[in-house]
Amino acid sequence: EVQLVQSGAEVKKPGESLKISCEGSGYGFTGYWIGWVRQMPGKGLEWMGIIYPADSDTRYSPSFRGQVSISADKSISTAYLQWSSLKASDTAMYYCARLDSTFFYFDYWGQGTLVTVSS
Amino acid sequence: QSVLTQPPSVSGAPGQRVTISCTGSSSNIGAGYDVHWYQQLPGTAPKLLIYENINRPSGVPDRFSGSKSGTSASLAITGLRADDEADYYCQSYDSGLSGSRVFGGGTKLTVL
Repeated sequence: EVQLVQSGAEVKKPGESLKISCEGSGYGFTGYWIGWVRQMPGKGLEWMGIIYPADSDTRYSPSFRGQVSISADKSISTAYLQWSSLKASDTAMYYCARLDSTFFYFDYWGQGTLVTVSS
Repeated sequence: QSVLTQPPSVSGAPGQRVTISCTGSSSNIGAGYDVHWYQQLPGTAPKLLIYENINRPSGVPDRFSGSKSGTSASLAITGLRADDEADYYCQSYDSGLSGSRVFGGGTKLTVL
């Protein structure tokens, strides 16, 4: 069974750094792209970027390039989303999701990680 | 402002049929890229509902169907049930500046 399990909720202050994770299991982790999707409170889904764990090839949405960093450690089947300096506007639910083999849609999703940034 | 446009809300009574539209442009749906649909039940992660315009993943009832024509796509739900109440999102690929994978703004389905 394909599963993506994300790390738990985080509460941070503005300016702090953060790295959240997404562990894949039940499939060949290095063979599929993993994406990150933001959902701000009461809002829709926004694609942030994707990474190919086999070689860490990474693509960012123009809206998020330079704002976050996506990485992966294929030895432990885990992808990461990282901020160096959080802002209150980063408060959101973040989902990881697996891109299917055609590279175009997300066929499996993690349960989400809620990030709250507040002073 | 989402690259793909969906109505903010639709509603229907149990047993009825509803449709949700997804309108794009010549750089995404109109360019021939497929449309995919996700269902997000309250408080849960999105789930793939329809892929490549018309296909249902295993376990998705045939009450859900998709179609695509020109620069638009539609999701139809027949035999509406109370547990269909959710947010629905379309998604496609965009070859323009928006950065490839794009979502619609989402449609809230209310079962009356």
